Amino acid sequence: GAGVSQTPSNKVTEKGKYVELRCDPISGHTALYWYRQSLGQGPEFLIYFQGTGAADDSGLPNDRFFAVRPEGSVSTLKIQRTERGDSAVYLCASSLNPTYEQYFGPGTRLTVT
Amino acid sequence: EDKVVQSPLSLVVHEGDTVTLNCSYEVTNFRSLLWYKQEKKAPTFLFMLTSSGIEKKSGRLSSILDKKELFSILNITATQTGDSAVYLCAVERSNDYKLSFGAGTTVTVRA
Repeated sequence: GAGVSQTPSNKVTEKGKYVELRCDPISGHTALYWYRQSLGQGPEFLIYFQGTGAADDSGLPNDRFFAVRPEGSVSTLKIQRTERGDSAVYLCASSLNPTYEQYFGPGTRLTVT
Repeated sequence: EDKVVQSPLSLVVHEGDTVTLNCSYEVTNFRSLLWYKQEKKAPTFLFMLTSSGIEKKSGRLSSILDKKELFSILNITATQTGDSAVYLCAVERSNDYKLSFGAGTTVTVRA
């Protein structure tokens, strides 16, 4: 595909449940980033992958959040024991390499009820 | 801690007007400043600025960076209703590659 894709586009879950959000980066992009955006705010960094490894996970809010990128392409953001405060739009971005501009996907809107 | 402040928070203009959006920043080890346009959900890349005083242009949009005064402006001339969006400014440090975003400026262009 031409751009970054994310699935699902919307996810509604109950408090305490586990969710997985998927990101397909632009083909050939080695760097992949996850951000979280709350209403009325700019995106906030969560984690960055270079290849298969998490180069920087300093933005993950707590140990309920985890992300993987096992083959250096698709990434999955996993949230355990969801809380209402996790409700936000989760954005994924990729870049050719870390020094290039980041291109964003359409995001997944997560609602925890 | 990195700081990115955008102003104004929002503005409403009429088609054909020119708008100027501001972004000031405080960041250690500055590498670049980026502008994005966000309609609905996906931020769309507009510009990446690394050097002071060099204007980047794309159609009716242009942007410039001042590394001495630590700010950037984004100009949109001859605005159209399709320019209505949230415009986000972000900075990147040279020792890592995560973006720190401002809260955005909401631009509404009325016909």
